[in-house]
Amino acid sequence: LAKTTQPISMDSYEGQEVNITCSHNNIATNDYITWYQQFPSQGPRFIIQGYKTKVTNEVASLFIPADRKSSTLSLPRVSLSDTAVYYCLVGYNQGGKLIFGQGTELSVKP
Amino acid sequence: GAVVSQHPSRVICKSGTSVKIECRSLDFQATTMFWYRQFPKQSLMLMATSNEGSKATYEQGVEKDKFLINHASLTLSTLTVTSAHPEDSSFYICSGYGGNTEAFFGQGTRLTVV
Repeated sequence: LAKTTQPISMDSYEGQEVNITCSHNNIATNDYITWYQQFPSQGPRFIIQGYKTKVTNEVASLFIPADRKSSTLSLPRVSLSDTAVYYCLVGYNQGGKLIFGQGTELSVKP
Repeated sequence: GAVVSQHPSRVICKSGTSVKIECRSLDFQATTMFWYRQFPKQSLMLMATSNEGSKATYEQGVEKDKFLINHASLTLSTLTVTSAHPEDSSFYICSGYGGNTEAFFGQGTRLTVV
């Protein structure tokens, strides 16, 4: 299973763009890259998923370089409500194990 | 996205009793369910993986006789914490996967054993 490495914490201010990078050097060919957001005492919430290049949805963008050994979650114009822990997961495909790394605790300040 | 409903959201039980947590996929068929526990300020730790109609596969260090998992249908999985003790107090979270490429999580259950 591919192991992921993320910064433990990040600070930002309202209105800024936040980029969180995740390293996954041992990603397998069939693995997807998925990001989740978790607020205290809640289950994780799906943010975005990608396989390669760039994926964008209504809340975030996901950038994946050609070698797929890392990925970057981009949150445009964050607000206070984006303060949460963000998890990057790989090594999950078609029902395989879903293993969480340490996550990145994002703190957005006014 | 798809919805996974987990109940109860919080439960307090006496030491030595058993507690059942339910996880339902409301708008998809969950062929695979994952169960996690999470301690304060820590990440989610996978306890077991269950496929509908099969016995659950437990992670190393997780006692299968203490944490009973049943996945009898494509929309329901249950976790029963048997003979609970204070050290079993934690936040338990289920996740369902139905054949798409992402899994969906329940709201979590805060278990307190007194």
